[in-house]
Amino acid sequence: GAVVSQHPSRVICKSGTSVKIECRSLDFQATTMFWYRQFPKQSLMLMATSNEGSKATYEQGVEKDKFLINHASLTLSTLTVTSAHPEDSSFYICSGQGWDRGKETQYFGPGTRLLVL
Amino acid sequence: AQKITQTQPGMFVQEKEAVTLDCTYDTSDPSYGLFWYKQPSSGEMIFLIYQGSYDQQNATEGRYSLNFQKARKSANLVISASQLGDSAMYFCAMRGGAGGTSYGKLTFGQGTILTVHP
Repeated sequence: GAVVSQHPSRVICKSGTSVKIECRSLDFQATTMFWYRQFPKQSLMLMATSNEGSKATYEQGVEKDKFLINHASLTLSTLTVTSAHPEDSSFYICSGQGWDRGKETQYFGPGTRLLVL
Repeated sequence: AQKITQTQPGMFVQEKEAVTLDCTYDTSDPSYGLFWYKQPSSGEMIFLIYQGSYDQQNATEGRYSLNFQKARKSANLVISASQLGDSAMYFCAMRGGAGGTSYGKLTFGQGTILTVHP
């Protein structure tokens, strides 16, 4: 299957600072990437859909100015959590759409654990 | 709107036995895709199996098979010959088909924690 990387894997920051998370598709081109958020022992919630060369589409209830998404190339999407607060602490996972044995599927990155103090 | 329901918060199985993880769904899209992912404690999401709504046969991938019953809107995952390494959280997910409002987006169920006993 295809490989998606995320960096950093873990980050601890002070309240009020901004944190950038990178998502890269290593061996395929992802015109569409997705950003999810997961709280402990809960399901993944889609935050936004990131399209290369255009503005991201945010899900209802997700603040666009809070979670800035940039899809600069076919292999890189970034999520910036601006002015992070403790309630933003969560597990953030990205995914890229690719093909596996003739079927379109989503490949997920390993996730980034964000802790805001 | 799409909805995925996993009614089993936790399941236990003896090593080498088979286990079925339940998943039911609801959608108004005429075509859709159903996925199962495994999430171990490390957090990574591992793709297991995919079933398209128009696929005539149930999907199988090694020890994983998907019991797709379209009329009942269920897509249960069957894991045969369970191994200790199968212990993880399992998520069922749905993606809307092309032309639908939910195309490309995955909607996840609540997840089922599977524990395999030696």
